[in-house]
Amino acid sequence: DTEVTQTPKHLVMGMTNKKSLKCEQHMGHRAMYWYKQKAKKPPELMFVYSYEKLSINESVPSRFSPECPNSSLLNLHLHALQPEDSALYLCASSHADDEQFFGPGTRLTVL
Amino acid sequence: DQQVKQNSPSLSVQEGRISILNCDYTNSMFDYFLWYKKYPAEGPTFLISISSIKDKNEDGRFTVFLNKSAKHLSLHIVPSQPGDSAVYFCAASMNTGFQKLVFGTGTRLLVSP
Repeated sequence: DTEVTQTPKHLVMGMTNKKSLKCEQHMGHRAMYWYKQKAKKPPELMFVYSYEKLSINESVPSRFSPECPNSSLLNLHLHALQPEDSALYLCASSHADDEQFFGPGTRLTVL
Repeated sequence: DQQVKQNSPSLSVQEGRISILNCDYTNSMFDYFLWYKKYPAEGPTFLISISSIKDKNEDGRFTVFLNKSAKHLSLHIVPSQPGDSAVYFCAASMNTGFQKLVFGTGTRLLVSP
């Protein structure tokens, strides 16, 4: 299994909703990442988990809350988002310092 | 402050010819560089990488060149195929035990038959 899966593919939510994005990989990777990509912009790193511990938080607002329940799963909990948070959210995983494998992303729209 | 830049937003090439995509970086601490290809509504797909101890890496039709003194890398695709049409991102990282990738702004490549 050489892929990273993400659910849902699309998500529409209101500013008062709570929702979660999910990411899963079964490649034995011990580093997992969340990126945000706005249209016509490069992916921007949000969080890095290394061995299930949060290693990097790139000054992301607290309305985004990551969680790594085990080595194969990564969640991103969303609460009280703003319309400007609408974007493609990408999950990736890697062995320590090897190339990252990306999932297909979740297209999030905040109304 | 854009640490990794791709100054050409788009590039058009005929099938069979060479595509050359360029990338410049400013942070001399970067020691690992990667190229990703991205189709619309999909995640980036890894293409090829190069460590700062090398100046060239080749994989099939794809070759990456690194000029550390100029802080410049390029991706050569030979021969180009219509299926190569996509957005190409270069990315750079410092070895911290995991990759903290900094992506360039992307170049849209269009290969016409």
